[in-house]
Amino acid sequence: QKEVEQDPGPLSVPEGAIVSLNCTYSNSAFQYFMWYRQYSRKGPELLMYTYSSGNKEDGRFTAQVDKSSKYISLFIRDSQPSDSATYLCAMSARGGNAGKSTFGDGTTLTVKP
Amino acid sequence: ETGVTQSPTHLIKTRGQQVTLRCSSQSGHNTVSWYQQALGQGPQFIFQYYREEENGRGNFPPRFSGLQFPNYSSELNVNALELDDSALYLCASSLDAGETQYFGPGTRLLVL
Repeated sequence: QKEVEQDPGPLSVPEGAIVSLNCTYSNSAFQYFMWYRQYSRKGPELLMYTYSSGNKEDGRFTAQVDKSSKYISLFIRDSQPSDSATYLCAMSARGGNAGKSTFGDGTTLTVKP
Repeated sequence: ETGVTQSPTHLIKTRGQQVTLRCSSQSGHNTVSWYQQALGQGPQFIFQYYREEENGRGNFPPRFSGLQFPNYSSELNVNALELDDSALYLCASSLDAGETQYFGPGTRLLVL
């Protein structure tokens, strides 16, 4: 069983919808939680980074971490066609949000105009 | 723009051959991590180099090896290529070992 499981999708929503992307994990040592966005034929780019449990908001994006349930989520409000991409959750036990991260397999999101 | 560049962009090799992939880190970054991303999967950590020394390794066999140069650029070498090595190979650099990493566009390797 993988250490990080991500809802596989694909997900298709109309423009303006609220999107919820989710991951679960099994390693209690994970303390740093990241969300990356990956466009086709590009490398991942960091969207959100949180440490330990709680919520973090950045514009239209909100990251939520529940360490007791080993569950993390990314919410996208007022989704736009430009948000269409693959979203990857990632976690690490130490070293902040740098290398040695364990990634989920990604959820592909399509936002239709 | 992230500033991390990788070469080549695409590569086709046959089983048993050897390959070298290259990464130029963003200016001022001393840490480089390599990841393998198979189709439909998330990136898997191969290893990290910090100031020219290996600083952690994932669950990859010894035929995956690396190098970091004094200018902090890096190479990933894979010997005795197998069909399952076909993937997108990503390089990420960071200012220091505990800082935000920035990914390059990747090298797509196909092993026939």
